[in-house]
Amino acid sequence: ELKVEQNPLFLSMQEGKNYTIYCNYSTTSDRLYWYRQDPGKSLESLFVLLSNGAVKQEGRLMASLDTKARLSTLHITAAVHDLSATYFCASPPGGGTSYGKLTFGQGTILTVHP
Amino acid sequence: DTGVSQDPRHKITKRGQNVTFRCDPISEHNRLYWYRQTLGQGPEFLTYFQNEAQLEKSRLLSDRFSAERPKGSFSTLEIQRTEQGDSAMYLCASSDRLHSSGEQFFGPGTRLTVL
Repeated sequence: ELKVEQNPLFLSMQEGKNYTIYCNYSTTSDRLYWYRQDPGKSLESLFVLLSNGAVKQEGRLMASLDTKARLSTLHITAAVHDLSATYFCASPPGGGTSYGKLTFGQGTILTVHP
Repeated sequence: DTGVSQDPRHKITKRGQNVTFRCDPISEHNRLYWYRQTLGQGPEFLTYFQNEAQLEKSRLLSDRFSAERPKGSFSTLEIQRTEQGDSAMYLCASSDRLHSSGEQFFGPGTRLTVL
């Protein structure tokens, strides 16, 4: 059974600081997704990482994927308050199946304070 | 913008009642997914359809839950004899098999409260 684990689960950051969220998954997969969720809202797609070594950047967020290590990272640069949210990584079934249900990590609750 | 829509957005019901939720996917997306999210947790997969065919159901989906997608467009999720443990956010997502990314786009969700 595929397991997806994120750490840390809680992250309190000062504005202007950098930090990284880690996402480990247990089954070989060629892709990984990152989503953002604001309180009481649905999930917003942030990044789609489709191959080993993929790196994508959007504003202060940068995501990368290492399929050999089964690890994805979400790096936050110079955090600002607007980034406060819960961040989820999610993996498809893997093992040669790239489509279908997603298995989500537990989520990382990010709070950025002055 | 015709994103994924869900109806209703909120539902309060008494234990033992039946409820039905509707999801309209992004136009021409042939895959439709249902997830359930409880407070403080990530979404958990319930079931998914490719066109009108239900391809997979989670063990979380007890006999009280049923989902349909009769014409391969919108989908309904019905919960019979609701229990307090069914209280959660029910999320619908859709994806397009023709695009290689497999990215799933989520609707706003239906928040169910069972009293």
